Amino acid sequence: QLQLQESGPGLVKPSETLSLTCTGSGGSISSSSYHWGWIRQPPGKGLEWIASIYYTGSTYYNPSLKSRVTMSVDTSKDQFSLKLSSVTAADTAVYYCARVVRGSQFDNWGQGTLVTVSS
Amino acid sequence: QSALTQPASVSGSLGQSITISCTGTSSDIGYYDYVSWYQQHPGKAPKLIIFDVIDRPSGISNRFSGSKSGNTASLTISGLQAEDEADYYCSSYTGTGTHVVIGEGTRLTVL
Repeated sequence: QLQLQESGPGLVKPSETLSLTCTGSGGSISSSSYHWGWIRQPPGKGLEWIASIYYTGSTYYNPSLKSRVTMSVDTSKDQFSLKLSSVTAADTAVYYCARVVRGSQFDNWGQGTLVTVSS
Repeated sequence: QSALTQPASVSGSLGQSITISCTGTSSDIGYYDYVSWYQQHPGKAPKLIIFDVIDRPSGISNRFSGSKSGNTASLTISGLQAEDEADYYCSSYTGTGTHVVIGEGTRLTVL
């Protein structure tokens, strides 16, 4: 059974770059059947899809974040990563990684990690 | 890319049925049969409860059912139980360019 786990700093300063990694265990992220995605949730608010990636490296970004987002994958480590640049307090959120089926359906989620943007 | 439209809140009594709507456009819900629904309890990660409009993952109660008509998808929960009280989100595929749009979320209160 695949398990996903987010890791990265819990506190990031304004204007800096937020970096998170998602590690899969109990399964490979090299499968051609899935994409891999990041979703975030500001405190008390709804879910927002950030980006998705295929094991080949093809990426898909939310247009509202595209200019600041980079997603990458390292199949040798069963990991995929998110970088969000020029962060502000509005980027404070719980960040989830997830497995994506047929482009948009998140069938396996990490537990989430809270990232706070503050000086 | 606007979020899919959901009611902010719905409520129902124990044992009753409720339906949550999710309205998109002819470019997402109206075009693709890749609509999914998620249940999220406070402090927990969302859980997939419906995929491909009508299908349930293994282990999800058949009290949860999904449907679609035109640009609107719906989630029906029958025989409401206390543990159904949660936030519910829909999502849809939007095509090869962007991939995903998620709904605004609906808080279900079980009375």
